[in-house]
Amino acid sequence: AQSVTQPDIHITVSEGASLELRCNYSYGATPYLFWYVQSPGQGLQLLLKYFSGDTLVQGIKGFEAEFKRSQSSFNLRKPSVHWSDAAEYFCAVGARTGGSYIPTFGRGTSLIVHP
Amino acid sequence: SQTIHQWPATLVQPVGSPLSLECTVEGTSNPNLYWYRQAAGRGLQLLFYSIGIDQISSEVPQNLSASRPQDRQFILSSKKLLLSDSGFYLCAWSVKGYPGGDGYTFGSGTRLTVV
Repeated sequence: AQSVTQPDIHITVSEGASLELRCNYSYGATPYLFWYVQSPGQGLQLLLKYFSGDTLVQGIKGFEAEFKRSQSSFNLRKPSVHWSDAAEYFCAVGARTGGSYIPTFGRGTSLIVHP
Repeated sequence: SQTIHQWPATLVQPVGSPLSLECTVEGTSNPNLYWYRQAAGRGLQLLFYSIGIDQISSEVPQNLSASRPQDRQFILSSKKLLLSDSGFYLCAWSVKGYPGGDGYTFGSGTRLTVV
C-alpha cells in the first residue's frame, strides 16, 4: 500500500528565510505527487503537482518542489518565506486503484513564520 | 467552472445523535468523490471514496457510512455519533482516471464537535 511521510510536524522559520518541507513516499509504480496548503479552518488548496517530465516543478505563491526518484522524495521549497505562508502543508501521492488515482496524504507539517 | 459545496460549516451534536453531511459538485459530471477526516495532529484520513453512483469504497472501519444518491452528491452519515467522531470533515472531487491539471479539489470543510 502507498504511504506518505512528512517527518517534520512543525517547522519554524523567520520571515525572509528559505524553506524546505520534506516529503517521502512509498509507492510501487510511477507516483503522482502533490503539495497542498491549508489555512486554519479552511479546505486545502493545491500548490503544485508532479506527474511526469521535468522533476523540478513550479507552483503558486513562489513554491517549487523537486521529485527525486532515487530518494522517493518530493520536497517543497521556497527561497524567501512571507508571514502569510504560515499554514499547514500536506504532501500526497495519488495511487492507481482500478481506473482511478486515490490520494493518500501525509500527516502534514505546520509552518510557523516569525517576523 | 467547477465548484464544490459542503455544508454545514459547523455542527455541534450530542453523543448518540445521527449525522448527515452533504457535499455537491457543480460544473462536471461523473467525478470521483472523497470524504476525509482531519483530527488534530493526525493529518488527513481517507474515509470513503466513490467512483460512481452506488460505487463506494470504505477505507477505515468506523461508525460512519457514505452514500451517493446522485452523480454529483456525496453524503456522509452516522446513525449514532461517538465522541471520537469529532473532527474536521472534508469532501473532495477529481476527474476520472488520471487526476489532471487540477488534482483533487476540496470543499471548505465541516467542523463537527460531538458533545
